[in-house]
Amino acid sequence: QQQVKQSPQSLIVQKGGISIINCAYENTAFDYFPWYQQFPGKGPALLIAIRPDVSEKKEGRFTISFNKSAKQFSLHIMDSQPGDSATYFCAASSGESGYSTLTFGKGTMLLVSP
Amino acid sequence: ETGVTQSPTHLIKTRGQQVTLRCSSQSGHNTVSWYQQALGQGPQFIFQYYREEENGRGNFPPRFSGLQFPNYSSELNVNALELDDSALYLCASSLERWETQYFGPGTRLLVL
Repeated sequence: QQQVKQSPQSLIVQKGGISIINCAYENTAFDYFPWYQQFPGKGPALLIAIRPDVSEKKEGRFTISFNKSAKQFSLHIMDSQPGDSATYFCAASSGESGYSTLTFGKGTMLLVSP
Repeated sequence: ETGVTQSPTHLIKTRGQQVTLRCSSQSGHNTVSWYQQALGQGPQFIFQYYREEENGRGNFPPRFSGLQFPNYSSELNVNALELDDSALYLCASSLERWETQYFGPGTRLLVL
């Protein structure tokens, strides 16, 4: 059972455009929603994260939008650059079981064309 | 401040063998989590260690085991390797159990 569904699988955006990646979750106990960026051959790097008490969080060109009632959250990359080309993972976690484990989506491969 | 480091970077083993992967957590972090990332997939949680004790486990068989040492570094051991164990193994450390997880570069394991 996939608890975090991510779409699209891949995305091509022109330089300067907006990249949008969507995720949906099922477990209402999730209380922390990070986005990770991964370049080939590297480990995932934390990009931005949100907790369900806010509907939006912005850090530079990156914004998370969160809809608790719909159990959905999305990443918006404004003014996308070729250096943003990477795989992006949404994730969710809950501490209710006594430990915090990240449940990841399957990833979105983003290509920003020059 | 050094980040999370893992060794080795790459490893080739044959089916049935055993492997040990190592992780040094970020300075001050007492929690280490291990993940398996198959090609084209998101990371899957294997287990978490907190202050030298296993603190949680994902859906992986007992042949996946681990240790955490007093300096909070950690090992992942996999016995009786199978072809499907070929993956990128990621270690993540956090300041406390529920804090943000920071990932290392991973160890790429190929089982032939």
